[in-house]
Amino acid sequence: SAVISQKPSRDICQRGTSLTIQCQVDSQVTMMFWYRQQPGQSLTLIATANQGSEATYESGFVIDKFPISRPNLTFSTLTVSNMSPEDSSIYLCSVSRQRAGGHGTDTQYFGPGTRLTVL
Amino acid sequence: QKEVEQDPGPLSVPEGAIVSLNCTYSNSAFQYFMWYRQYSRKGPELLMYTYSSGNKEDGRFTAQVDKSSKYISLFIRDSQPSDSATYLCAMKRGGGNKLTFGTGTQLKVEL
Repeated sequence: SAVISQKPSRDICQRGTSLTIQCQVDSQVTMMFWYRQQPGQSLTLIATANQGSEATYESGFVIDKFPISRPNLTFSTLTVSNMSPEDSSIYLCSVSRQRAGGHGTDTQYFGPGTRLTVL
Repeated sequence: QKEVEQDPGPLSVPEGAIVSLNCTYSNSAFQYFMWYRQYSRKGPELLMYTYSSGNKEDGRFTAQVDKSSKYISLFIRDSQPSDSATYLCAMKRGGGNKLTFGTGTQLKVEL
């Protein structure tokens, strides 16, 4: 598995401001991901954070709203920009790690999440 | 139609009961199937990982995949209050990293 920490664990922000969430992993990983978890909805992938290149965003998510940095193989940040109450959610980072065994055995391990409330 | 459907519950059972949690999916390209457990105010924790059809057992937990029916299940035997959590199914295609999740089923095991 992996030890993943996120900062802050929670925050309450005003409309129109921005918040940067940090994700730190205990060892180097190639793939890091950012998810959003809204009440009653599935975990939704926002983007894949690539070291040394721009993040790859999923449909419905754009870099201007969710800029991502990945300066090295153990760290990434997600910024939620120009926030509105609709951005209130839990934001999770995850990493992909190889499991012991055969076929396609990489899977994802999650951090504890950042609970964001926008007023 | 969502790619993955999961009954959100909540599901309440007495201690010691056998719990059955289920997901259905529509994309036949999914080959890897996972169950995550998420306690309140925590991140999801990988519980079970299965490739293709069949059963996998780990202690009190059994994961079952039926690809012909596009149906996966997680069984919990001798359920304990500590099993009270939200259980998320997730799946992915071969050769990819993107996970597609169900909405999660909230389980409460009562004394």
